[in-house]
Amino acid sequence: QKEVEQNSGPLSVPEGAIASLNCTYSDRGSQSFFWYRQYSGKSPELIMSIYSNGDKEDGRFTAQLNKASQYVSLLIRDSQPSDSATYLCAVMDSSYKLIFGSGTRLLVRP
Amino acid sequence: DGGITQSPKYLFRKEGQNVTLSCEQNLNHDAMYWYRQDPGQGLRLIYYSQIVNDFQKGDIAEGYSVSREKKESFPLTVTSAQKNPTAFYLCASSIGIRQETQYFGPGTRLLVL
Repeated sequence: QKEVEQNSGPLSVPEGAIASLNCTYSDRGSQSFFWYRQYSGKSPELIMSIYSNGDKEDGRFTAQLNKASQYVSLLIRDSQPSDSATYLCAVMDSSYKLIFGSGTRLLVRP
Repeated sequence: DGGITQSPKYLFRKEGQNVTLSCEQNLNHDAMYWYRQDPGQGLRLIYYSQIVNDFQKGDIAEGYSVSREKKESFPLTVTSAQKNPTAFYLCASSIGIRQETQYFGPGTRLLVL
């Protein structure tokens, strides 16, 4: 059973701080990794995708990938209350299916 | 205005009833997907389709059926065989099955009366 694991949280950070969200996966053949943000009652929206080891930055968001450790993370700098949501890690496995973690709930305190 | 639409937003099912959820996309994507999300859980794949007139079972296909007669449309039927249908249903599409980024519609919330 291919798995994607996330801490359910909630992760609570003050406004302006860095939020660090983590994800591990079991399928070593995975090649593509995604972070989605989901507000309560809404559908997921893509935040970042990453395919190669290392860091990828987009505005306040940085995705980090370490395939050897089977670990992917998302950093949110200068966190805002509007960033409060559930963040879903998704990993495309070796059969091209997208496997989702159960999500980490982030709360940004004003 | 390109995107994925799902209807209805809320759907109520009576005991023993089949219901159909609509999903339409105008992104010219070949691949379409149906996921189910239960409270506090991640998304689980029900069915997916790579091209018209072809679809494959996902991890939780029992009690569901789909069709793909047009590229733009991928309706999901929740049959009476699905004993626990209450969930948030999400349709997604991507350029192709190997073009990995999937984009989601707004979802349909199914409730049992």
